[in-house]
Amino acid sequence: KQEVTQIPAALSVPEGENLVLNCSFTDSAIYNLQWFRQDPGKGLTSLLLIQSSQREQTSGRLNASLDKSSGRSTLYIAASQPGDSATYLCAVKNFGNEKLTFGTGTRLTIIP
Amino acid sequence: AAGVIQSPRHLIKEKRETATLKCYPIPRHDTVYWYQQGPGQDPQFLISFYEKMQSDKGSIPDRFSAQQFSDYHSELNMSSLELGDSALYFCASSFRTGYEQYFGPGTRLTVT
Repeated sequence: KQEVTQIPAALSVPEGENLVLNCSFTDSAIYNLQWFRQDPGKGLTSLLLIQSSQREQTSGRLNASLDKSSGRSTLYIAASQPGDSATYLCAVKNFGNEKLTFGTGTRLTIIP
Repeated sequence: AAGVIQSPRHLIKEKRETATLKCYPIPRHDTVYWYQQGPGQDPQFLISFYEKMQSDKGSIPDRFSAQQFSDYHSELNMSSLELGDSALYFCASSFRTGYEQYFGPGTRLTVT
């Protein structure tokens, strides 16, 4: 059974800093991995999708990496802004099923 | 760009009542997924449909049923509602299975 862990559960950093969010998963036979952000009580916004054959994906100030063999992914946010404050979730899709298995998220606060 | 549409956005029901949640996928998306997110929890996969056929099933109670219609919209029917069913219910869609999942804004169900 796939288990996804995100550490830390919460993170506060001053505006302008670069930061890294971590995601680890127990079953390395993944098909793809998605990073999402969720604002309080709101929906999930897809940030990046990394296929199992890829090592990284970039979108603007965001860069996600994937190391399947070690069961890890990181989300790098450059030059953080107060608008980046949200909960960030990683989710993994394994071969053989359709579901995304989510981590418990990292609640990020950017301090102006 | 068109997004996933869910209705209603908020729903209040009493115990033992029934509820129907609707989901309209992004145009040309043929796969629909349902997730349940309890307070402070990560989203949990319920069920998915591809081309109107059930493609995967997660931890969906027997009291719940779902289907995908010929126009690809989907409905989640919930009967004999319990207090523990209070949650945010997300629908997501993708073009084919295994591709990036795009989430709707969610339906917040409150059972009293």
